[in-house]
Amino acid sequence: DTGVSQNPRHKITKRGQNVTFRCDPISEHNRLYWYRQTLGQGPEFLTYFQNEAQLEKSRLLSDRFSAERPKGSFSTLEIQRTEQGDSAMYLCASSRVAGDKETQYFGPGTRLLVL
Amino acid sequence: KQEVTQIPAALSVPEGENLVLNCSFTDSAIYNLQWFRQDPGKGLTSLLLIQSSQREQTSGRLNASLDKSSGRSTLYIAASQPGDSATYLCAVHPRYGGSQGNLIFGKGTKLSVKP
Repeated sequence: DTGVSQNPRHKITKRGQNVTFRCDPISEHNRLYWYRQTLGQGPEFLTYFQNEAQLEKSRLLSDRFSAERPKGSFSTLEIQRTEQGDSAMYLCASSRVAGDKETQYFGPGTRLLVL
Repeated sequence: KQEVTQIPAALSVPEGENLVLNCSFTDSAIYNLQWFRQDPGKGLTSLLLIQSSQREQTSGRLNASLDKSSGRSTLYIAASQPGDSATYLCAVHPRYGGSQGNLIFGKGTKLSVKP
């Protein structure tokens, strides 16, 4: 169990550029979540996958955002035509659901700065 | 709509003190409640998970309680140490509404333990 990993850890980009983040969950975890956190706030849910199926998307996830988990393992989050308001920490979490008990384990996050 | 509130927003204590962090939530229909620790610029570390049928969980110097009917949870830290300095986040996993799996977070309590 090596934990949830995310790459890159930091990304600086210019407004209008596209960026892609990667998340590798804990092996055998069937659920994978993406959250966004801005300064002084708690994380806010963006979307989640059960295996390779994307089951829920938040209203925060505009058309410029897309997430994939093609083989039910790693996931990517792409932001097209970035805006300064996209600057935030993007957190990935994974879990293995057992009945009503689900502990989400978070990665170190990708900090995005849009200039 | 489920909302999570954490009070106080910030807390400073001398080393060795016992302390309590508070979390309240508006809808008692939850699967579980999870406490996290976040160091500056880092991801989240899961501390304790309390299922809705439980009243408390303990791990080392940490004890978390849950009163679902009143919508409250507390995190008790015994004999605080400077290494406990971090932001502590409370999150609930709602049973109804919204996503099946996403956590709803409070804004956190920033704890500073002075040597």
